[in-house]
Amino acid sequence: RKEVEQDPGPFNVPEGATVAFNCTYSNSASQSFFWYRQDCRKEPKLLMSVYSSGNEDGRFTAQLNRASQYISLLIRDSKLSDSATYLCVVNDDDMRFGAGTRLTVKP
Amino acid sequence: EAGVAQSPRYKIIEKRQSVAFWCNPISGHATLYWYQQILGQGPKLLIQFQNNGVVDDSQLPKDRFSAERLKGVDSTLKIQPAKLEDSAVYLCASSWSTGGTLYGYTFGSGTRLTVV
Repeated sequence: RKEVEQDPGPFNVPEGATVAFNCTYSNSASQSFFWYRQDCRKEPKLLMSVYSSGNEDGRFTAQLNRASQYISLLIRDSKLSDSATYLCVVNDDDMRFGAGTRLTVKP
Repeated sequence: EAGVAQSPRYKIIEKRQSVAFWCNPISGHATLYWYQQILGQGPKLLIQFQNNGVVDDSQLPKDRFSAERLKGVDSTLKIQPAKLEDSAVYLCASSWSTGGTLYGYTFGSGTRLTVV
């Protein structure tokens, strides 16, 4: 089993849609979780951290379910500029990345 | 604040040749990471330094890959000899931590290696 596993993509959605990504992790002792965004031919950049209580940043909501060992990212009112690959990251002693889920938002 | 600097941006070499990549982390960041990202996959950690010491190199193919961070600042990653499957983007990242919490984790723009 992979350490960090994400929904297989790609997701193709129209503008204004709501889309959700899930990610599961294997180490129950993991403490820190993040979502990164990676644009084509660019480096990954931090989108948001994921806190136990869940957190929201504008149209983006991240949630953590420790019992089931998964984290989620919800994007509301999708914009064309949200098109990117979204990487789930789990920090144990180092940062472990999922393979990423590609999102394309279409007009 | 200056970001993580990497060079070169692109490199094309023939198989069996050698290549080196350079990374300058954000000032004050004690931890430096090298990742390999193959097209369509997430970044895979190759090696992690804490200052000039190696913390984790369990996924570094040591028969052909080597890395050093002699003065605890800049780092170089070398491949010798290169294979076709080494074609990937090599990303450097740096961070600092206190009390077990990681801060400021930032990637450089990467070096895109093509082995032909």
